[in-house]
Amino acid sequence: TQLLEQSPQFLSIQEGENLTVYCNSSSVFSSLQWYRQEPGEGPVLLVTVVTGGEVKKLKRLTFQFGDARKDSSLHITAAQPGDTGLYLCAGPAMNSGGSNYKLTFGKGTLLTVNP
Amino acid sequence: EAGVAQSPRYKIIEKRQSVAFWCNPISGHATLYWYQQILGQGPKLLIQFQNNGVVDDSQLPKDRFSAERLKGVDSTLKIQPAKLEDSAVYLCASSMLISRASSFTDTQYFGPGTRLTVL
Repeated sequence: TQLLEQSPQFLSIQEGENLTVYCNSSSVFSSLQWYRQEPGEGPVLLVTVVTGGEVKKLKRLTFQFGDARKDSSLHITAAQPGDTGLYLCAGPAMNSGGSNYKLTFGKGTLLTVNP
Repeated sequence: EAGVAQSPRYKIIEKRQSVAFWCNPISGHATLYWYQQILGQGPKLLIQFQNNGVVDDSQLPKDRFSAERLKGVDSTLKIQPAKLEDSAVYLCASSMLISRASSFTDTQYFGPGTRLTVL
């Protein structure tokens, strides 16, 4: 079973601070996705990384895929209250029947940015 | 473009009762997913449809859960009878393509979910 472990589980910071959250696995993933889920809403895809060592930037968010494709990080610069939410990483894993790749999600990092 | 619609948004039932959730995916999306998200965890895939056929239901508790996607558009997920541990948010998602490859690059669009509480 391919598991994704995210850390920290909770993070509360002040507006303007920088932060990094992590997504780790003992298994190699061919790609990883990051989602943000706001309270009462479904997850929204932020980025997909597919190449080991890849770095992608989305405004103040920087995503990195580890060289060995077993881990990924999300760095937020100058966090704002609007960044508050649950950050989920997800990667493809074979189902138990061996017939389909499905997205398997980590438990997420719950980020609160205080004004 | 309209997003994925789900109803109801909230449902409270007693254990052993039945409940049904409805999902309307984004127009033209062939693939539809139902996920269960228990508090403090990430979403877990319950069932995946391509058009009106089931692609993956390996994690669906088939003794109590059922789902259908009539005419390859809307879908319903039913629980009968409900148990306390079924309390969760049930998310519906859709995507344009089915990705059975190990490099999963499809974009899944999620609805707002239905929060189920079983007392």
